[in-house]
Amino acid sequence: GAVVSQHPSRVICKSGTSVKIECRSLDFQATTMFWYRQFPKKSLMLMATSNEGSKATYEQGVEKDKFLINHASLTLSTLTVTSAHPEDSSFYICSARDPSGGRDEQFFGPGTRLTVL
Amino acid sequence: QKEVEQNSGPLSVPEGAIASLNCTYSDRGSQSFFWYRQYSGKSPELIMFIYSNGDKEDGRFTAQLNKASQYVSLLIRDSQPSDSATYLCAVNSGYSTLTFGKGTMLLVSP
Repeated sequence: GAVVSQHPSRVICKSGTSVKIECRSLDFQATTMFWYRQFPKKSLMLMATSNEGSKATYEQGVEKDKFLINHASLTLSTLTVTSAHPEDSSFYICSARDPSGGRDEQFFGPGTRLTVL
Repeated sequence: QKEVEQNSGPLSVPEGAIASLNCTYSDRGSQSFFWYRQYSGKSPELIMFIYSNGDKEDGRFTAQLNKASQYVSLLIRDSQPSDSATYLCAVNSGYSTLTFGKGTMLLVSP
């Protein structure tokens, strides 16, 4: 299956700082990538859909000025959590859609665990 | 609003038994259906997809789809303790976005 990587896998930062998370498709070109957040023992929540070369589409309730998404190439999307606060501590997971197979499945990265002190 | 419903569980089965996981969805126009497995602290892993009514088998896994009833299920034969995880049902209703259920926790006891 298609491989998606994420970096870093774990980050601890102080309140008020910004954190950038990278998501890469390693063996395919992903025109669309997705960013999810998952709190402990809760379900996946879609934050935004990232399309290469255009602005991301944010889900209702997700602040676009706080969660900056850049999808500058067909293999890389970044999520920047700006001015992070303890309530932003969560498991952030990206996924990518491989359009070459003609199917709709998403392949997930390993996730980034963010802890804001 | 598109919804995907799953019983949160936990579903407990003994090793070697068949585990049956169920999912219903609200959007009758849904076209493709996926099952993901998520171990605690890890990201989801795709294990099955199905597009057509009927059964689809892959090793110990069988996905079943009934579009008339808006129902999709996953059967795991010869369940192993390593199958213990949360199973997420996901539905695509048109564009590339998937709608996920909240997941069913499966516990397989030795």
